[in-house]
Amino acid sequence: GQNIDQPTEMTATEGAIVQINCTYQTSGFNGLFWYQQHAGEAPTFLSYNVLDGLEEKGRFSSFLSRSKGYSYLLLKELQMKDSASYLCAVRDTGGSYIPTFGRGTSLIVHP
Amino acid sequence: ETGVTQTPRHLVMGMTNKKSLKCEQHLGHNAMYWYKQSAKKPLELMFVYNFKEQTENNSVPSRFSPECPNSSHLFLHLHTLQPEDSALYLCASSLRDDGYTFGSGTRLTVV
Repeated sequence: GQNIDQPTEMTATEGAIVQINCTYQTSGFNGLFWYQQHAGEAPTFLSYNVLDGLEEKGRFSSFLSRSKGYSYLLLKELQMKDSASYLCAVRDTGGSYIPTFGRGTSLIVHP
Repeated sequence: ETGVTQTPRHLVMGMTNKKSLKCEQHLGHNAMYWYKQSAKKPLELMFVYNFKEQTENNSVPSRFSPECPNSSHLFLHLHTLQPEDSALYLCASSLRDDGYTFGSGTRLTVV
């Protein structure tokens, strides 16, 4: 299995940049997901990293370092609607392809 | 609307009741999942169905009984639940080992 750690809560200001970190321990890494979940809604897919480096998608970017067991989600030009929970999930090479989720980071964006 | 539809959105039930949660997807996905989401806890995988066959059951109490009549529909039958079973129950689907598409969940309260 995996041991996934991410901060419980973060706050940031509208227009700013925020970085949400995720560290993990796994015997055989096979991909890392980030999901966004607004209160009372479905988690929605943001990004998938399996190789080291930065993947950019508009205002959101996700970074992975497999050797350090570390990923971050970078949100630029924050908007109020970015207030949500951000879930990190890691998949390993063990028989199941199903990822294990972290507890999520609740991001509060204020004016 | 994500393409995965869950009903009902909210459910209040007594400990002696029997109810069912329904999940439906028409995305052509071959795998469907039930997750439990409690406050301050990671998403907990409950059941996995691959091509209608149950492939995982993560030590879930027998008061939760899944049913997958076809690859588009998934049910979770509930009976004699406990107050600690109150949570958000999320259904998800995926195509092989791609990322998940989640439903909006059923908010269950056991009284």
